[in-house]
Amino acid sequence: EIVMTQSPATLSVSPGERATLSCRASQSVRSNLAWYQQKPGRAPRLLIYGASTRATGVPARFSGSGSGTEFTLTISSLQSEDFAVYYCQHYNNWPPLIFGGGTKVEIK
Amino acid sequence: QLQLQESGPELVKPSETLSLTCTVSGGSISSSSHYWGWVRQPPGKGLESLGSIYYTGSTYYNPSLKSRVTMSIDTSKNQFSLNLNSMAAADTAVYYCGRHLNWSGFDSWGQGILVTVSS
Repeated sequence: EIVMTQSPATLSVSPGERATLSCRASQSVRSNLAWYQQKPGRAPRLLIYGASTRATGVPARFSGSGSGTEFTLTISSLQSEDFAVYYCQHYNNWPPLIFGGGTKVEIK
Repeated sequence: QLQLQESGPELVKPSETLSLTCTVSGGSISSSSHYWGWVRQPPGKGLESLGSIYYTGSTYYNPSLKSRVTMSIDTSKNQFSLNLNSMAAADTAVYYCGRHLNWSGFDSWGQGILVTVSS
């Protein structure tokens, strides 16, 4: 089973700054990777699929990159509403669909 | 706009079977493009996929739970369901239903239902 590892576990960033989140797969998932944002008490929200394609309605400040085993989610200029937990998830040769452990983006 | 809503008991006893239903509105569960899945999240922890089902009834279970999970779909009611047997305290979690494509993530989610396992 593929293991998805996210780093760091917590990222402290000031509003307006850039945030870079990492996701590593234990074996290649090609570009079959999604990113989600989750706020407390809410369901996750799909941000990125295909490693780099923004989902409908997602602001352009969110961008995804990578393929194979190394992926990055970048938030170019953090807004107050972006402080949340972010998860990556692969969908290569599923089941199972595997999520990473998450990165919490908090206000510095 | 597609909406999903989980329903079922919020409290189950150890060793019992959890039965949850997800009702889909604003779209057809018989879409040939989509899969319908269940994801859970223990309090304060990460996300775990339990499995997915296609409108034809084909199922795709997480191997780690395969012996305990059964999913079904009722296209006439636009609903799909989850049964998870031998519930234990470690199964206490928010259970979400969602929709995904074969080549994408979950693009629609229910609000989630907190299921607590306790005697």
